[in-house]
Amino acid sequence: EAGVTQSPTHLIKTRGQQATLRCSPISGHTSVYWYQQALGLGLQFLLWYDEGEERNRGNFPPRFSGRQFPNYSSELNVNALELEDSALYLCASSLVATQYFGPGTRLTVL
Amino acid sequence: GEDVEQSLFLSVREGDSSVINCTYTDSSSTYLYWYKQEPGAGLQLLTYIFSNMDMKQDQRLTVLLNKKDKHLSLRIADTQTGDSAIYFCAESGNGANNLFFGTGTRLTVIP
Repeated sequence: EAGVTQSPTHLIKTRGQQATLRCSPISGHTSVYWYQQALGLGLQFLLWYDEGEERNRGNFPPRFSGRQFPNYSSELNVNALELEDSALYLCASSLVATQYFGPGTRLTVL
Repeated sequence: GEDVEQSLFLSVREGDSSVINCTYTDSSSTYLYWYKQEPGAGLQLLTYIFSNMDMKQDQRLTVLLNKKDKHLSLRIADTQTGDSAIYFCAESGNGANNLFFGTGTRLTVIP
């Protein structure tokens, strides 16, 4: 069974640009979570989507947004990129409680 | 808010046991998790324990939960060089589905 997949693996952008990160959950999982792992800040919860709806949001500005598609895959959009947005962005999926993570997208903002 | 704490570093010799500790603040946590992260990779779920249990064993891994002291530990028996990684403790607190992570413990296994 395929695990959680994320694309792209690496993404390089400049300040002010927009980034789009993608995530495909494990087949059958309806919930998708996004986390940011920035150097020195640890793993922080960004967004939770379930059945196409945003269910919860972490302490991040509105320029971090996303959506979940009918096939349960998800996009994370980061607008007006800032240098401090450079991080590993991890997606996880779950059916009930336990979350399984993808390999991450490393976003570098120059 | 939820606070999950771990020591930052642990070094052990190959073949010894490793014990990684974690303390958390949210007594309403239903599940507590241990994840492993190797360099440049995502998080691998190692094991989890339901809050009404006090111990869970899975091959070389033993999880102990002291709910009264809000203390969780992960013991790795016969530690191997391939166990070198960062280990994260996580809890889903306050009825939320999102996870709150500790800072991670970097385990170094010395051959």
